[in-house]
Amino acid sequence: VQLVESGGGLVKPGGSLRLSCAASGFTFRSYSMNWVRQAPGKGLEWVSSISSGSSSISYADSVKGRFTISRDNAKNSLYLQMNSLRVEDTAVYYCARLEAAVSGTLDSWGQGTLVTVSS
Amino acid sequence: EIVLTQSPGTLSLSPGERATLSCRASQSVSSSYLAWYQQRPGQAPRLLIYGTSSRATGIPDRFSGTGSGTDFTLTISRLEPDDFAVYYCQHYGNSPFPFGPGTKVDFK
Repeated sequence: VQLVESGGGLVKPGGSLRLSCAASGFTFRSYSMNWVRQAPGKGLEWVSSISSGSSSISYADSVKGRFTISRDNAKNSLYLQMNSLRVEDTAVYYCARLEAAVSGTLDSWGQGTLVTVSS
Repeated sequence: EIVLTQSPGTLSLSPGERATLSCRASQSVSSSYLAWYQQRPGQAPRLLIYGTSSRATGIPDRFSGTGSGTDFTLTISRLEPDDFAVYYCQHYGNSPFPFGPGTKVDFK
């Protein structure tokens, strides 16, 4: 299992950014996927989840209405469109696989991509 | 919404010692949906325990989890150098999927 995030960078408050997560080594279309973030020196915060066929999507209240999760199963890719970014969105963003059959939780994680929101 | 608290914030121990980490939920949760993760500096989190007490693939048996209701515990029976890290509990029953604030296990 390999998850590789990309798309992070420096953006001004109010700006937008689109993160991607390229998946390999497993049948991507069969798994729900998640984004989890970690502000510098802080703990983990769940951000968003999408089911295998995109029929079920959920967001943390802190990002609802500003972030959009999506996926392309043909491309084995997960995305996070982030709009109206705030300073407090600065964090490392991880994509993580939800393994429903055994653990029911996030069993594989990427190495993360850093998003910095600053003027 | 369920809130998780962890104690202590920092645990200072020596290799070979036993570590006991606590996770408390703001309301009773199903033990089927309580997980523990380890995060070493500069690395992504790694799943250790799911369903309160089941070890994830490849996790050594010195890691064990117990608990029910609102109180859950991760025990590391004999600390090895690689175990000095931050540990997070998580409830994953229904979204949102909250994490606790973490317990750092560092060298005494």
